[in-house]
Amino acid sequence: DGGITQSPKYLFRKEGQNVTLSCEQNLNHDAMYWYRQDPGQGLRLIYYSQIVNDFQKGDIAEGYSVSREKKESFPLTVTSAQKNPTAFYLCASSISGGLRETQYFGPGTRLLVL
Amino acid sequence: AQKITQTQPGMFVQEKEAVTLDCTYDTSDQSYGLFWYKQPSSGEMIFLIYQGSYDEQNATEGRYSLNFQKARKSANLVISASQLGDSAMYFCAMREGRLTGGGNKLTFGTGTQLKVEL
Repeated sequence: DGGITQSPKYLFRKEGQNVTLSCEQNLNHDAMYWYRQDPGQGLRLIYYSQIVNDFQKGDIAEGYSVSREKKESFPLTVTSAQKNPTAFYLCASSISGGLRETQYFGPGTRLLVL
Repeated sequence: AQKITQTQPGMFVQEKEAVTLDCTYDTSDQSYGLFWYKQPSSGEMIFLIYQGSYDEQNATEGRYSLNFQKARKSANLVISASQLGDSAMYFCAMREGRLTGGGNKLTFGTGTQLKVEL
């Protein structure tokens, strides 16, 4: 079955710690995205990548970093510089970056700060 | 200014009735796309329906239809014959064209929580 997987489902971060959220897709999509969702709010774009080895900042990139070394994988690192990391993180992918292209989402990772 | 506005934080509907979820948008671009997603309590975002700014007909997908009024900049989602499984959060989102530097970004509204009752 094709789809997007995210791991872990829940992640706990200690003060000053970097943590990495995994996102893998086997849909052969070129474009991948990371969104953050806070309670009672919509999604906000953190980073996106249209092609391997290239990515762009979204609206709230500060305190986050990404890499795109493989087409299938787009991991997100939440660094210690992100002062309020507690949120629900959603990864998405689309065939390309076209206007009509639908973004398909993974099941999400809930990040909590200890 | 908010690019996507969903003014209904919560809605109730009786099973088998139709319900309309409101969405208004703001863009200066002529080319844009509008999307509706459903988010059950599990958290995954499920794509429902798409409407392009140049599409002449309103989009339909099964029990979902989009009431697109371009001049009023509204893209309301209509769910017909509501089912208990339709209870979820619903998000309207927009992708703007390159003219406004939209790139691939989806801009989301704050969502409407729909509760279907017996």
